[in-house]
Amino acid sequence: QVQLVQSGAEVKKPGASVKVSCKASGYTFTSYYMHWVRQAPGQGLEWMGIINPSGGSTSYAQKFQGRVTMTRDTSTSTVYMELSSLRSEDTAVYYCARRTTHLDVWGKGTTVTVSS
Amino acid sequence: NFMLTQPHSVSESPGKTVTISCTRSSGSIASNYVQWYQQRPGSSPTTVIYEDNQRPSGVPDRFSGSIDSSSNSASLTISGLKTEDEADYYCQSYDSSNQVFGGGTKLTVL
Repeated sequence: QVQLVQSGAEVKKPGASVKVSCKASGYTFTSYYMHWVRQAPGQGLEWMGIINPSGGSTSYAQKFQGRVTMTRDTSTSTVYMELSSLRSEDTAVYYCARRTTHLDVWGKGTTVTVSS
Repeated sequence: NFMLTQPHSVSESPGKTVTISCTRSSGSIASNYVQWYQQRPGSSPTTVIYEDNQRPSGVPDRFSGSIDSSSNSASLTISGLKTEDEADYYCQSYDSSNQVFGGGTKLTVL
């Protein structure tokens, strides 16, 4: 079955970087774009960006331009999202989600806590 | 960039029908598909409506979606409400460079 398995929870200090992974299985990895969406505690969903696993091209939300980098490793069917210069407001659950005609499969989320 | 505005919360009784609206601030609602996601506490979102009015397999036909160009809005209608429908619902759409989520609507079935 189609699955997206994300890496475990992270605790980071302000100013640090975090890299979250999302390993895909059960389908052809390069056939579908992957989105990253985050959700701060008690808040709504916020789109961060998208990566094409086939060629590696990316598009980021303006809010995260310069701070976010999305990459992929086709040999392991894994996409990565790295967020730098972390601040307390980046404390959130980070989701990867596969896009077909919609975001049809989501990972379980990775909790990133930014605290001094 | 445009915004999608949803009511913060709605509530209705079991068996009744509820409609959640999603208004696009700029650009035509009809120009890009609208999706609706359901999120229960502690869980990842799941799709209940995609491409304005399509239901994924497994989603009951109590869920329906529509768009209204006159109000530049989309709507999610849930009929025959069940307690299990209690969740947060998010509309989502896009333009040439961005994906946008609405702020979410908390549905209480009481």
